Amino acid sequence: QQQVKQSPQSLIVQKGGISIINCAYENTAFDYFPWYQQFPGKGPALLIAIRPDVSEKKEGRFTISFNKSAKQFSLHIMDSQPGDSATYFCAASENSGTYKYIFGTGTRLKVLA
Amino acid sequence: GAGVSQSPSNKVTEKGKDVELRCDPISGHTALYWYRQSLGQGLEFLIYFQGNSAPDKSGLPSDRFSAERTGGSVSTLTIQRTQQEDSAVYLCASSSQGVIGEQYFGPGTRLTVT
Repeated sequence: QQQVKQSPQSLIVQKGGISIINCAYENTAFDYFPWYQQFPGKGPALLIAIRPDVSEKKEGRFTISFNKSAKQFSLHIMDSQPGDSATYFCAASENSGTYKYIFGTGTRLKVLA
Repeated sequence: GAGVSQSPSNKVTEKGKDVELRCDPISGHTALYWYRQSLGQGLEFLIYFQGNSAPDKSGLPSDRFSAERTGGSVSTLTIQRTQQEDSAVYLCASSSQGVIGEQYFGPGTRLTVT
């Protein structure tokens, strides 16, 4: 119930292409869904986040699509660049007072020049 | 402004020794979290502080792990009698109650137990 399932585990995309990473959850009490980007040796950095009252959120080249009925959300990276090569984590938290994150297992993205 | 800082960045210790990991959250952030990132387990929650109290310690893996926070700011994660399975990157994050949900992570402390 507390898991967040993330796929794919790794992804290779050509420069200029679209990178798509998917996450699914079971706990309907989750109400905040962030995506984090992590470079080797660094801590995760907040990229973009969404709440279930909207179906899509866009910030620059990054878009979250959210499907509440299917309990799924995804990250789309448009015009992928070699600098986007990193590990991406989805997460979820519920309005329980702690807002602790349950993380997906991560997707290692490589964008080829 | 300054982000979340953690020290040391790397720590190598012998099995059985105690270690202390430090986290300095973003100034004014009342919520503080510790997570552990390991190859086999991914990113997992350890403990949550609101101010100086820890209402959620559910992620601490054993009683060898403890944490405290003083002055509503700095937090220390202590691991006693370290084991090889404790080897991981320990990440600290802080959050402002004014923006519910957003957590900002530090660079982590890489702990290696030999």
